[in-house]
Amino acid sequence: AQSVTQPDIHITVSEGASLELRCNYSYGATPYLFWYVQSPGQGLQLLLKYFSGDTLVQGIKGFEAEFKRSQSSFNLRKPSVHWSDAAEYFCAVGASGTSYGKLTFGQGTILTVHP
Amino acid sequence: GAVVSQHPSWVICKSGTSVKIECRSLDFQATTMFWYRQFPKQSLMLMATSNEGSKATYEQGVEKDKFLINHASLTLSTLTVTSAHPEDSSFYICSASGAGGGNTEAFFGQGTRLTVV
Repeated sequence: AQSVTQPDIHITVSEGASLELRCNYSYGATPYLFWYVQSPGQGLQLLLKYFSGDTLVQGIKGFEAEFKRSQSSFNLRKPSVHWSDAAEYFCAVGASGTSYGKLTFGQGTILTVHP
Repeated sequence: GAVVSQHPSWVICKSGTSVKIECRSLDFQATTMFWYRQFPKQSLMLMATSNEGSKATYEQGVEKDKFLINHASLTLSTLTVTSAHPEDSSFYICSASGAGGGNTEAFFGQGTRLTVV
């Protein structure tokens, strides 16, 4: 069975600073990888996804993520954080060959942005 | 992207009563819908997967007789929490995937906050 680890429960950055949120996964084959963002009391919005091909994936809101098979990682990055990026971020993995919606989520990383 | 609507957004019910949550795909046919549960300050845990016209597949540890899932049409799935108890209080989120939704991701509803008193 697949699993996802987000080592950082809470990250605080200053507005305008760069951001990297870590995600490590465990899965025997090539996984489907996702990053979602959740504002308090809201559903999830997809930031980006990786299925195959180019390992550097561009998403919405200026986010990108890089799939590194050798490190089993899919870290999320943004060069300059905006105050509106404050939210909780979830990395998720789906098993290839299954529905794209059957996901295993990491524990989430809460992002706080200081002005 | 495709739109998934969940209703109600929040509900408070008395212990022992049942609550029904609806999940609708508004602009695509959802051949598969998923129900997740999220306890406070925790991650999302998949409860069950439902395919239109078929019985739902429940994850290990999820009581199928307590959490009744119906997916009778390509645009609607319902989750009924039967004989709810305070420990069922949680945030329930559905997602849907299928033809017309690009079939490369599942789209999430806005979630339902259930409080059992």
